[in-house]
Amino acid sequence: NAGVMQNPRHLVRRRGQEARLRCSPMKGHSHVYWYRQLPEEGLKFMVYLQKENIIDESGMPKERFSAEFPKEGPSILRIQQVVRGDSAAYFCASSPSSIISGYTFGSGTRLTVV
Amino acid sequence: GESVGLHLPTLSVQEGDNSIINCAYSNSASDYFIWYKQESGKGPQFIIDIRSNMDKRQGQRVTVLLNKTVKHLSLQIAATQPGDSAVYFCAERGGSGGYQKVTFGTGTKLQVIP
Repeated sequence: NAGVMQNPRHLVRRRGQEARLRCSPMKGHSHVYWYRQLPEEGLKFMVYLQKENIIDESGMPKERFSAEFPKEGPSILRIQQVVRGDSAAYFCASSPSSIISGYTFGSGTRLTVV
Repeated sequence: GESVGLHLPTLSVQEGDNSIINCAYSNSASDYFIWYKQESGKGPQFIIDIRSNMDKRQGQRVTVLLNKTVKHLSLQIAATQPGDSAVYFCAERGGSGGYQKVTFGTGTKLQVIP
């Protein structure tokens, strides 16, 4: 029973390129959450999705960032025209229900913008 | 320019001693409080949670205490081991019923001295 799978583990992009981060939730989980973590800081909420729906994107920058969770396949966090300030660890978590508080997190994608 | 991360508060504990990690929360309407452990290079791992109508909950070697009067949460780890070295985050889930966002605190780094 695999946990939350994120790929790639490490991603290097030049300024101006696009970054695509993938998250496959645990089996049976239909709720996905994306968080961003800067070095030596806590996790900042970005977006919450259910299958084919964005429920809460209050933590996501209005420009350049988008997220989806299609009916089939993983959830994707997309960052267009990356800048150095986008360098961070991006974590995905999943849960079987929105009322469960103990999310299961993936190992994260570490994005470095050069 | 580059963003400067905050330095996490650090707690150094001798192996075998008990550790107490504290956290202040902000939302008096939060209904669940959760502790996560994050080891270097990994995603956060759920440790224990507590509902707002409780003031104490015990797990294996861990105890969480909740003081709603002063909005304070603590995690006690008994007989601390080297494997407990990690960053510990408290998190709160706001409100009741339906979807409520889980918000993380800034974290405390626990260093276990052998």
